[in-house]
Amino acid sequence: GAGVSQSPRYKVTKRGQDVALRCDPISGHVSLYWYRQALGQGPEFLTYFNYEAQQDKSGLPNDRFSAERPEGSISTLTIQRTEQRDSAMYRCASSLSPGQGEGTQYFGPGTRLLVL
Amino acid sequence: QKEVEQDPGPLSVPEGAIVSLNCTYSNSAFQYFMWYRQYSRKGPELLMYTYSSGNKEDGRFTAQVDKSSKYISLFIRDSQPSDSATYLCAMSDNYGQNFVFGPGTRLSVLP
Repeated sequence: GAGVSQSPRYKVTKRGQDVALRCDPISGHVSLYWYRQALGQGPEFLTYFNYEAQQDKSGLPNDRFSAERPEGSISTLTIQRTEQRDSAMYRCASSLSPGQGEGTQYFGPGTRLLVL
Repeated sequence: QKEVEQDPGPLSVPEGAIVSLNCTYSNSAFQYFMWYRQYSRKGPELLMYTYSSGNKEDGRFTAQVDKSSKYISLFIRDSQPSDSATYLCAMSDNYGQNFVFGPGTRLSVLP
């Protein structure tokens, strides 16, 4: 079985452009998480979904960031009007169970975003 | 053997107790070790972040890493009911590519 996949793996964009990052979780996984990881730091939580419902978006830095998972599978993280400070590794993870303490998260390879 | 193992709990302690949460791992390439706290219906919040072996203290929280034993711990002193949450350990290799979470330990601190 395939693991979590993310695309693109690398994205270079100019300041002010919109970007869409895609995450394809492990088939059948209920929960999907988005994290942002700056170089040399641990991943910081952005938002997560159980099925198609967004459970918590408190980690999204501002209203330029949004995420959706319309059919409870693939998710897209969108950053509008990108800024240089948005440059980071964006990681997606999925877990089989939505229950806390019961759901090991499996991470994708990440999308490295560079905003020029 | 799972890459990261963690007792799922639940762990119940009285208010004021010292809590010890632990993870073991099998991959000797792991160099970065983190602890996250997750409240019900919220995403994981990064609590502590350490590199390689040693101790790190932040307020009531102390993280310990023993790479020779492949064992990490999080200690919570003077535990409070507000500490009731699921605690997840996480770790990655030196390049941050192989990133793994443990399944989490559910902690309840009783008033």
